[in-house]
Amino acid sequence: DSGVTQTPKHLITATGQRVTLRCSPRSGDLSVYWYQQSLDQGLQFLIQYYNGEERAKGNILERFSAQQFPDLHSELNLSSLELGDSALYFCASSATVADNEQFFGPGTRLTVL
Amino acid sequence: DAKTTQPTSMDCAEGRAANLPCNHSTISGNEYVYWYRQIHSQGPQYIIHGLKNNETNEMASLIITEDRKSSTLILPHATLRDTAVYYCIVRFPTGTASKLTFGTGTRLQVTL
Repeated sequence: DSGVTQTPKHLITATGQRVTLRCSPRSGDLSVYWYQQSLDQGLQFLIQYYNGEERAKGNILERFSAQQFPDLHSELNLSSLELGDSALYFCASSATVADNEQFFGPGTRLTVL
Repeated sequence: DAKTTQPTSMDCAEGRAANLPCNHSTISGNEYVYWYRQIHSQGPQYIIHGLKNNETNEMASLIITEDRKSSTLILPHATLRDTAVYYCIVRFPTGTASKLTFGTGTRLQVTL
């Protein structure tokens, strides 16, 4: 158990819909990262927040957005969903802003029908 | 970040040592080598990292060649639970952000 929690575990929705994935980092960790893992793209970095501020962006689509709240939990919002957005979405956390030792949550499996 | 090359897959008998190689010939002086693994559909798990000296922890050992162009992750007594995809990542240790770049990794199959 990494100490990172993600909800929901599974999410099934239709194309065009909007969903929110939630992540609670390990106690004391200030950085939260979001990664997407699809069958054809592998594990890809989406975005990082540190203490409420966006710190790094990867290949995150404009339809996707994220935020980190004062209590340090984070949400990833995915809108206008397409079939290709079906993937595992992982959240990770670390103590500092530039930690390469990151602790990953169990993931949310999103299925878009 | 320096590019890494890993074999696509490897097999190992349970109880034997699993030696997973990684080539990173373009590594620069300040870049560290990190290893993660991902057991089927679970979140990746940090294993170990090192700069130039060999490192050991409760999970594995990391051997980095003297020229730092390659490294080997060693699982001393592999068990079925070690079946996973192992990722070698080369990154600078500090900065203002961190985004791990996972390649295709090595799929390790531990068999009876």
